[in-house]
Amino acid sequence: DAGVIQSPRHEVTEMGQEVTLRCKPISGHDYLFWYRQTMMRGLELLIYFNNNVPIDDSGMPEDRFSAKMPNASFSTLKIQPSEPRDSAVYFCASSHRGIGNQPQHFGDGTRLSIL
Amino acid sequence: TQLLEQSPQFLSIQEGENLTVYCNSSSVFSSLQWYRQEPGEGPVLLVTVVTGGEVKKLKRLTFQFGDARKDSSLHITAAQPGDTGLYLCAATQGAQKLVFGQGTRLTINP
Repeated sequence: DAGVIQSPRHEVTEMGQEVTLRCKPISGHDYLFWYRQTMMRGLELLIYFNNNVPIDDSGMPEDRFSAKMPNASFSTLKIQPSEPRDSAVYFCASSHRGIGNQPQHFGDGTRLSIL
Repeated sequence: TQLLEQSPQFLSIQEGENLTVYCNSSSVFSSLQWYRQEPGEGPVLLVTVVTGGEVKKLKRLTFQFGDARKDSSLHITAAQPGDTGLYLCAATQGAQKLVFGQGTRLTINP
């Protein structure tokens, strides 16, 4: 089975530009998570969805960040306008039947560099 | 303040040695997970521990959940270069949020 697929793998753009990260979860998984990983702050949860509905977005840094899940097989994380401090690796993960005891399956991430 | 404190942050040892890394908290958890992350990839689940005092083994890796369910340890016997990676512990905070520790970056030198 295909794992979680993220695109692009790398993104380099200038400050102020809009950035859109994409994720295709594992088929049949009903939870989708967006994380950000930096050396300073580690792996942080930004937002998660259950059955395409956003449940907790308290980790989203500010209004420049938005996430959508229009259907069970696709999600986007958008940053507009982007800033250098947004540079990080962004991971998407999916799981089946909840959090805690169930494994989260991660994609290989998008390495984002804002110049 | 980190909910989960992992130690050490960095560890570099020679192939064949044994090692233990720790994940500590002042909070009680219903379960705790260990993940390993290799460069350029996402974390991959190694194990979930649920019961206080539980010990789980995965080949040369031994995971233990503290009796009070506040801490956990990962012991690797006869480490190999393939064990190199970032080891992350994670636990549920509140109802439905998984929180990760900062990780232990392990390097096994041939």
